Amino acid sequence: DAGVTQSPTHLIKTRGQHVTLRCSPISGHKSVSWYQQVLGQGPQFIFQYYEKEERGRGNFPDRFSARQFPNYSSELNVNALLLGDSALYLCASSLGWSPNNEQFFGPGTRLTVL
Amino acid sequence: KQEVTQIPAALSVPEGENLVLNCSFTDSAIYNLQWFRQDPGKGLTSLLLIQSSQREQTSGRLNASLDKSSGRSTLYIAASQPGDSATYLCAVRPRTGANSKLTFGKGITLSVRP
Repeated sequence: DAGVTQSPTHLIKTRGQHVTLRCSPISGHKSVSWYQQVLGQGPQFIFQYYEKEERGRGNFPDRFSARQFPNYSSELNVNALLLGDSALYLCASSLGWSPNNEQFFGPGTRLTVL
Repeated sequence: KQEVTQIPAALSVPEGENLVLNCSFTDSAIYNLQWFRQDPGKGLTSLLLIQSSQREQTSGRLNASLDKSSGRSTLYIAASQPGDSATYLCAVRPRTGANSKLTFGKGITLSVRP
């Protein structure tokens, strides 16, 4: 079975641009979460979606938005990119809404903002 | 606010050594704790998930323990191998906030010397 997949693998943008990152969860998983990992730090929670509804939001500005589609895949959008948005963006999926569900992470998208 | 600490930041050991990686957290109100492995520039691989009602979990050469009352977890790696070289992160799922939110430590970078 395929794990969590993310696209693209790498991305280079300039300040002020917009970016869309994509995630496909493990088959049968209905919850998707997004995390940002800056070099040398642990991942920071951005969003959680379950059944197409936002169920949690971390401490990130409104430039960050996301959505989940009927097939449970998800997009993370970042507007007006800043140099500080350069990071590895990780998507995680889990079976359902329960906090006892194990989180499975994808390979990430490396975003570089110049 | 939940904080997760992993000390030391880096560790180098000779092949074959048994080792313990430590993780501490400030708030014992958690659903569970998860240990991950991260290879350079890659995503996270889930190693072990310990629910708050459990004391330990084992998988192959790995054993993770949880002492919720003292806010500590350890990851024991038996007979370390060069292939174990990676960054090991622990993360807790707090009982407050979004169910999916994992709070991570910064990780311990392990190097196993042949």
